[in-house]
Amino acid sequence: DIQMTQSPSTLSASVGDRVTITCRASQSISSWLAWYQQKPGKAPKLLIYKASSLESGVPSRFSGSGSGTEFTLSISSLQPDDFATYYCQQYKSYSPEAFGQGTKVEIK
Amino acid sequence: EVQLVASGGDLVQPGGSLRLSCAASGFTYSNYNMNWVRQAPGKGLEWVSYISTSSSTIYYADSVQGRFTISRDNAKNSLYLQMNSLRDEDTAVYYCAKSGSGSYRIDSWGRGTLVTVSS
Repeated sequence: DIQMTQSPSTLSASVGDRVTITCRASQSISSWLAWYQQKPGKAPKLLIYKASSLESGVPSRFSGSGSGTEFTLSISSLQPDDFATYYCQQYKSYSPEAFGQGTKVEIK
Repeated sequence: EVQLVASGGDLVQPGGSLRLSCAASGFTYSNYNMNWVRQAPGKGLEWVSYISTSSSTIYYADSVQGRFTISRDNAKNSLYLQMNSLRDEDTAVYYCAKSGSGSYRIDSWGRGTLVTVSS
């Protein structure tokens, strides 16, 4: 099974900061990677798919990059609505560990 | 608009059974692969099970293999998860989730239903 390792687990930042979250796959997944945002008590929401494609309706301050085994999610200028937990997911194949462990972005 | 409404979550004793349902609308249900993903309290996401459009391909996490059964009824636009021999560690919010066309990528999530296993 392909396993995902996400870092950091927690990130403290201020409004207006640029933040970057990293996700690594245990083997190459090409560009089959998605990023989700989850707020407390809510279902995850798709932000990025195919490593760098922005889902419709998602603000352009979100961007994704990478291929193979190394990926990043960046938020160019953090907004109050962006404080949440972010997960990566590989979708090259089914795996119970397809999701990263999550990165909580909290207010500094 | 895609809507996925999961139901059936409840408090159940260890060793008990529960059946979750998910009613889908807003898209051609029979054309899309479906999933159950769970999240234990304060924890991350675990992809529990996957079912293809015609039910010909099914996957389970090792943690539920042999105890859980995923199924779908395309005529009723519904997804199910039969959960038997429940354990404390199955306590979680269970999300019904839709995959993209011909893909494992999850592009839409339902609101989730809470399963609590406790004596």
